[in-house]
Amino acid sequence: EAQVTQNPRYLITVTGKKLTVTCSQNMNHEYMSWYRQDPGLGLRQIYYSMNVEVTDKGDVPEGYKVSRKEKRNFPLILESPSPNQTSLYFCASSLRGPTDTQYFGPGTRLTVL
Amino acid sequence: KQEVTQIPAALSVPEGENLVLNCSFTDSAIYNLQWFRQDPGKGLTSLLLIQSSQREQTSGRLNASLDKSSGRSTLYIAASQPGDSATYLCAVTSNSGYALNFGKGTSLLVTP
Repeated sequence: EAQVTQNPRYLITVTGKKLTVTCSQNMNHEYMSWYRQDPGLGLRQIYYSMNVEVTDKGDVPEGYKVSRKEKRNFPLILESPSPNQTSLYFCASSLRGPTDTQYFGPGTRLTVL
Repeated sequence: KQEVTQIPAALSVPEGENLVLNCSFTDSAIYNLQWFRQDPGKGLTSLLLIQSSQREQTSGRLNASLDKSSGRSTLYIAASQPGDSATYLCAVTSNSGYALNFGKGTSLLVTP
């Protein structure tokens, strides 16, 4: 089944404890991206990647890192999480870029205490 | 910066009604516009994608129209059903950008 998977789905952590949210797609898509969704603010893009080893900042990249060493994986790294990073995170992928149909993962709900 | 607005923020209708959801954007230099559905606690599912050169797209009971010059799109849902209850989001991709700009969504409730 064609899909985007994220792990974990739920995570409660404490300020400053490094964490990684994984994202994987099995559709051989070149474009992958991360969003956060907050009440009243909607979906905002954190980082995106046009292909392996090609990543760039979105609208709200502060406090986040990404890497794209393989085509199928695009992990989101929070080196020192803070409470303002409590949010619902989505990974998405598409064949070539943002102009193609986007496929979203199920989301990761992160709480930073 | 592209701003995307969706009105209304919430809508409740009885089953069987036809309804229209609205999306407006400030910069008409768009590549395309997508409509998504989001169920509570779940990810987004793409419903329709309209290229800037197109006027509308249809999928089943859904019809999306695009008026690029006026910066507007509508999502028409015919004969609504309780299973249509969800949040509907529109997103535009600008010609110059590498990202989608999302509206905040319309939360739809269809009551039996």
